[in-house]
Amino acid sequence: EAAVTQSPRNKVAVTGGKVTLSCNQTNNHNNMYWYRQDTGHGLRLIHYSYGAGSTEKGDIPDGYKASRPSQENFSLILELATPSQTSVYFCASGVNSDYTFGSGTRLLVI
Amino acid sequence: GDSVTQTEGPVTLSEGTSLTVNCSYETKQYPTLFWYVQYPGEGPQLLFKVPKANEKGSNRGFEATYNKEATSFHLQKASVQESDSAVYYCALGDRGNTRKLIFGLGTTLQVQP
Repeated sequence: EAAVTQSPRNKVAVTGGKVTLSCNQTNNHNNMYWYRQDTGHGLRLIHYSYGAGSTEKGDIPDGYKASRPSQENFSLILELATPSQTSVYFCASGVNSDYTFGSGTRLLVI
Repeated sequence: GDSVTQTEGPVTLSEGTSLTVNCSYETKQYPTLFWYVQYPGEGPQLLFKVPKANEKGSNRGFEATYNKEATSFHLQKASVQESDSAVYYCALGDRGNTRKLIFGLGTTLQVQP
């Protein structure tokens, strides 16, 4: 069954540390997306990709980098994590804006 | 920029009553409109989409009509069940290369037995 798998499911990080969130999809979709979900803000787009080797800035890219080494994998990187990046992060793959979301990564930065 | 505004929650209903979640949008393009649903501990999942103005989408008893003139896409269900308790997101989709979605803030629905 086609799916989007995120890891880790939960993460506690120290302020100033590096965090990598991973996403793997078996849908063979070209487009992949990273969103964060916060109360009062809904889902906001951080980075997205059109395919292997491509990354594009979304609406709130500051403090985040992305990497798409292959069709299947799309990572979100926080080089210097801050408490304001405490959130739930969702990865999605999609075609024609029909997204399949992963189950999310809950990140706490202390 | 593009934006989506929807009913503020939480919305609490009794089983068997009707639901309306209002959604309005702003954009200069001609978007596809979506409703997504999110259950606790899961990612959002597509409820249905409508790509064309004046058409209706539906799934699991939920429905919404794409009203381009009023820039609205209200979600309705005639009779809710406890299993409908979830967060509902209205979204507009870019028809360009990005195919990105702009989401509303979400509306939490709690249905009491």
